[in-house]
Amino acid sequence: GAVVSQHPSRVICKSGTSVKIECRSLDFQATTMFWYRQFPKKSLMLMATSNEGSKATYEQGVEKDKFLINHASLTLSTLTVTSAHPEDSSFYICSAVPLGDRGIWYEQYFGPGTRLTVT
Amino acid sequence: QKEVEQDPGPLSVPEGAIVSLNCTYSNSAFQYFMWYRQYSRKGPELLMYTYSSGNKEDGRFTAQVDKSSKYISLFIRDSQPSDSATYLCAMTSGRYSSASKIIFGSGTRLSIRP
Repeated sequence: GAVVSQHPSRVICKSGTSVKIECRSLDFQATTMFWYRQFPKKSLMLMATSNEGSKATYEQGVEKDKFLINHASLTLSTLTVTSAHPEDSSFYICSAVPLGDRGIWYEQYFGPGTRLTVT
Repeated sequence: QKEVEQDPGPLSVPEGAIVSLNCTYSNSAFQYFMWYRQYSRKGPELLMYTYSSGNKEDGRFTAQVDKSSKYISLFIRDSQPSDSATYLCAMTSGRYSSASKIIFGSGTRLSIRP
């Protein structure tokens, strides 16, 4: 149980285009989903916290107009990178917290990640 | 100074060796200390966690926390090629993810040679 999927697993896009990444909880409903970014040999950096039916909360330094997050249902959150540039190339990972859980940190299940390359 | 420092490696050891992975941190408010394992092109999976100071053992894995030194360790005994992965230390100050962020180390890439 507690499986989180991401789609696509890998995407290459041209500079200036937008890319949507989906994060789905497959066998549970998620109150909260998190979006992380991971650079090679660097830490996972929390970008934003997404709660179903409400606006996402962005971390300091993350441009909300560039990284659009929509948590439309209890099993799906999407991250759209708008007007992508080469510096947006990174590994994006989502995680999900099961519904009913008060958000205990270890009840957070990670997706397999999406590798974005902007050319 | 980064909140969490972790040697990126890579670390290569022969099968059967004891592996020691370490992290240091600067925030004395951290209470929960975790180790995640991340295989190539996969998301992290929680391996072990420890609350406050002390040791915790789970099979071949032992996690140690020394809050006085702000130093945590993960030991892997009888290492196997399947242990080859990147190991991320992480820590947080609170019990609930809504109230306190998880801060990750940069990860140590471990390779176990058959």
